[in-house]
Amino acid sequence: DVKVTQSSRYLVKRTGEKVFLECVQDMDHENMFWYRQDPGLGLRLIYFSYDVKMKEKGDIPEGYSVSREKKERFSLILESASTNQTSMYLCASSPFGRESYGYTFGSGTRLTVV
Amino acid sequence: SQKIEQNSEALNIQEGKTATLTCNYTNYSPAYLQWYRQDPGRGPVFLLLIRENEKEKRKERLKVTFDTTLKQSLFHITASQPADSATYLCALYNAGNNRKLIWGLGTSLAVNP
Repeated sequence: DVKVTQSSRYLVKRTGEKVFLECVQDMDHENMFWYRQDPGLGLRLIYFSYDVKMKEKGDIPEGYSVSREKKERFSLILESASTNQTSMYLCASSPFGRESYGYTFGSGTRLTVV
Repeated sequence: SQKIEQNSEALNIQEGKTATLTCNYTNYSPAYLQWYRQDPGRGPVFLLLIRENEKEKRKERLKVTFDTTLKQSLFHITASQPADSATYLCALYNAGNNRKLIWGLGTSLAVNP
């Protein structure tokens, strides 16, 4: 069964901490995405990557960075966590040029910053 | 401005009936539109894709229509079951938007036994 795995389901961090969210996919997908989802705001794209070592800013990149050193792994980094980054974080992947497969999402990481 | 809208009010229907969810958009010319299901606390799950040149797509009890004149997609679940209760998201792909999907906020569906 193909899947996207996010390293933690729940995470509690303190303000100012550096936070790493890991995402691994086993489908050999080229495209990977990081979203956050908040009530009333829906899914908002933070960063995405179309290839190893490539990254592009999404709609809300401020306060975040990403790393893609290997094709299967896409990491989201909160440089200095703040309370307004409390959210559900969702990683997704998709195959290049095969949009009929849609995005495959991970189960999400519910991050609370206190 | 560019918008994608789904019914914000929850839809409650009786088991066995057909559920119809709406996705409207303005100022886009999407190459295709996707529908996802999301259960509470989980990531969305891809259901169907319909392209701009397709009027209708079916998959088991699911049917999606796409009217580029009305700028609307309808998502139907026939013979609905309580297990269909979830939030349903539509997302469109607009080639001029740097290959990103644009997401609606979703419509919550509750199927009552």
